[in-house]
Amino acid sequence: EADIYQTPRYLVIGTGKKITLECSQTMGHDKMYWYQQDPGMELHLIHYSYGVNSTEKGDLSSESTVSRIRTEHFPLTLESARPSHTSQYLCAITTGDFADTQYFGPGTRLTVL
Amino acid sequence: KNQVEQSPQSLIILEGKNCTLQCNYTVSPFSNLRWYKQDTGRGPVSLTIMTFSENTKSNGRYTATLDADTKQSSLHITASQLSDSASYICVVSDRGSTLGRLYFGRGTQLTVWP
Repeated sequence: EADIYQTPRYLVIGTGKKITLECSQTMGHDKMYWYQQDPGMELHLIHYSYGVNSTEKGDLSSESTVSRIRTEHFPLTLESARPSHTSQYLCAITTGDFADTQYFGPGTRLTVL
Repeated sequence: KNQVEQSPQSLIILEGKNCTLQCNYTVSPFSNLRWYKQDTGRGPVSLTIMTFSENTKSNGRYTATLDADTKQSSLHITASQLSDSASYICVVSDRGSTLGRLYFGRGTQLTVWP
């Protein structure tokens, strides 16, 4: 298991605001991921990182950006939120076992009005 | 096209009953298949993982099966409890390594009634 923390858990904001979703882990894992999930739909990978100063875009195009300055933190930023960004955002890590099992954080439910 | 299809989309059962959820995939190459449980408003939690050579894996009241020839998997829940109410997601990996991709199903929403 892995301890993954996401803040805030819920966020309601107005259009045009800049927001940062926080994701942190305490076990020093290199691989971290951001997924976006709409209700009743599958998870879509939007960003991932294999270590400090490493960030890549995922399968689903996203207007968000990420940074990985420290191993423990992998924040996601939206410069100007829009209603289309309303979704659940899940952070995950892999522990590097043979199957690269992913462990997910509790998620952030974002609503943009 | 690599896809993961789950059925049924939703299911309602009475407490104490058994149920089986299905997952069909077209992912190739195949490395492993996992079942996750996702409670409402929470992140998914891994239940089982199976590689190509495994055809069954249990975790308490959860038993997963895999038929790699037909590319089908099932998750059987025995003696259901109210806490089993959740979305169950099938995830297939094509390489299971740093370069591998994960393919997610949309999940089966299970509701257990008292």
